[in-house]
Amino acid sequence: GEDVEQSLFLSVREGDSSVINCTYTDSSSTYLYWYKQEPGAGLQLLTYIFSNMDMKQDQRLTVLLNKKDKHLSLRIADTQTGDSAIYFCAENTNAGKSTFGDGTTLTVKP
Amino acid sequence: NAGVTQTPKFQVLKTGQSMTLQCAQDMNHNSMYWYRQDPGMGLRLIYYSASEGTTDKGEVPNGYNVSRLNKREFSLRLESAAPSQTSVYFCASSVQGTDEQYFGPGTRLTVT
Repeated sequence: GEDVEQSLFLSVREGDSSVINCTYTDSSSTYLYWYKQEPGAGLQLLTYIFSNMDMKQDQRLTVLLNKKDKHLSLRIADTQTGDSAIYFCAENTNAGKSTFGDGTTLTVKP
Repeated sequence: NAGVTQTPKFQVLKTGQSMTLQCAQDMNHNSMYWYRQDPGMGLRLIYYSASEGTTDKGEVPNGYNVSRLNKREFSLRLESAAPSQTSVYFCASSVQGTDEQYFGPGTRLTVT
């Protein structure tokens, strides 16, 4: 079945890099996504990667995809206190639906 | 563009009451979704609509009904609310092709 797993918590110091990991099971996924949720708000798309790519960089964000191991990661360089949020990994599945992980709560300490 | 809007933002219901959550998007997206978010359980899909006039069940449809009124609007109805439906409800719409989803701000529902 389809399942997306990610660790629940990550804590880093301001200025360090953060790496959030995710594993997925649907090898037919065409796109994989990272969303960010701030307290009291809806999810906001951060970035996505096409399944035939292995890396995508967008300013402080780097996404790495290992299709063989079905592993996706999000690296945030120079993490700031404003990056504190819940980060969701998601894969697209049939009929335009996405399956979401349970989210990783990132805490950035000053 | 307002993006995805949801009303109301907060609601308290008594067990057995009914209500409709409203959602609208102005991005001309074909697909729309309703999710619920509970602590420690991520997002669970309730219903989705791939296009105007079509709706399909998601992972947790029991106790809910939906209406895709037109391309812009997708409503979620609770006919007889139960405490287990206390949750935060999110509506989303998606871009055709990449399926990236845009979310509304959520409705925080408490059923007592």
